[in-house]
Amino acid sequence: GQNIDQPTEMTATEGAIVQINCTYQTSGFNGLFWYQQHAGEAPTFLSYNVLDGLEEKGRFSSFLSRSKGYSYLLLKELQMKDSASYLCAAMDSNYQLIWGAGTKLIIKP
Amino acid sequence: GAVVSQHPSWVICKSGTSVKIECRSLDFQATTMFWYRQFPKQSLMLMATSNEGSKATYEQGVEKDKFLINHASLTLSTLTVTSAHPEDSSFYICSARDLQGHTEAFFGQGTRLTVV
Repeated sequence: GQNIDQPTEMTATEGAIVQINCTYQTSGFNGLFWYQQHAGEAPTFLSYNVLDGLEEKGRFSSFLSRSKGYSYLLLKELQMKDSASYLCAAMDSNYQLIWGAGTKLIIKP
Repeated sequence: GAVVSQHPSWVICKSGTSVKIECRSLDFQATTMFWYRQFPKQSLMLMATSNEGSKATYEQGVEKDKFLINHASLTLSTLTVTSAHPEDSSFYICSARDLQGHTEAFFGQGTRLTVV
């Protein structure tokens, strides 16, 4: 079956760095997405990886290892506004997105 | 990025009535639109995939006669919750992909439905 695993909740301190891990098992693979979702709002796109390696975009970076079925989202210089849920989604061979349950990130001052 | 507009943002309706939710791609043409439902503190659950000009494909367990989907044009898809019940109260979100084949899914703002 198809499955996405990510931690349910993480806590970090303002100004620090946090890494949110995601492992996936899909029928075929066409890329890994990270979305940010604030409470009561729709998800917003953060990153897309289809090749192995690290993609950096400002304070956010995303890493992918296809052989390990593993990705992480790295958030640097955390700000209070980064408190949100972070959704990992893998695209299968039919180009359908398989969603993880999301990781709720709590930022403390 | 591309813009997807979803309307209404929130709606309260009486049990037994029907509610229509619209999803529009404002600056691109979407061959495929997706409808999701999200209960509090849970992940997005795909309800159906809607392709322009053809019948929607519903996920297992989703009643197609209760959740009517129409994708009449490349910029508009609608979800109608018929004979709504309190258990249908949820956050409904649409997303769309453009004709260029970009893999990124653009999301609407979501609709908070409360059935009383």
